Amino acid sequence: AQSVAQPEDQVNVAEGNPLTVKCTYSVSGNPYLFWYVQYPNRGLQFLLKYITGDNLVKGSYGFEAEFNKSQTSFHLKKPSALVSDSALYFCAVRDIQRGYQLIWGAGTKLIIKP
Amino acid sequence: GAGVSQSPSNKVTEKGKDVELRCDPISGHTALYWYRQRLGQGLEFLIYFQGNSAPDKSGLPSDRFSAERTGESVSTLTIQRTQQEDSAVYLCASSSGQAQETQYFGPGTRLLVL
Repeated sequence: AQSVAQPEDQVNVAEGNPLTVKCTYSVSGNPYLFWYVQYPNRGLQFLLKYITGDNLVKGSYGFEAEFNKSQTSFHLKKPSALVSDSALYFCAVRDIQRGYQLIWGAGTKLIIKP
Repeated sequence: GAGVSQSPSNKVTEKGKDVELRCDPISGHTALYWYRQRLGQGLEFLIYFQGNSAPDKSGLPSDRFSAERTGESVSTLTIQRTQQEDSAVYLCASSSGQAQETQYFGPGTRLLVL
């Protein structure tokens, strides 16, 4: 079955430290992978995606993510966290053999402490 | 318009009433999605429209839920005889329809059923 797992409900990081938000997936074919961020009382904003090519993808607001096919992971990273990065982060995957639908993770709440 | 818009932004209704939620996708986007997000939870797929194809209604939770789309423009999500468990944020997204393309989200409609 197609699935996405975000194993951490919440991640706490001190401002200025590197951050990682984890995502693993399970699909039958080649995946398209996405990260979105949701600020309080707002809709989801696209951060970055992996389609093909370089395994390291750079996105908005200094975020990047690394596609690891052997570990079926797509962890979101940032070298130096900002308090303003505090938000809810969602990972999603599309199995291109199944077409259009995105399978969503449950979300990880990221808290950056000053 | 520049982005996906949704109206109303907030809706409070009484149990048993019908509600209609509206989504205006990005101009030119052939694909349109509706999701439900309960408080503190991830996204739940409801329905998908792609061009003139028959919509995928597989995510609609009951026959009280229905949605329509006029061509490649506005979509309305209707909930009949609302129940308290329908309280959630309803998110709309649109994309160009290609498998690798990003879904862009509206700000959502926050529905509260009393």
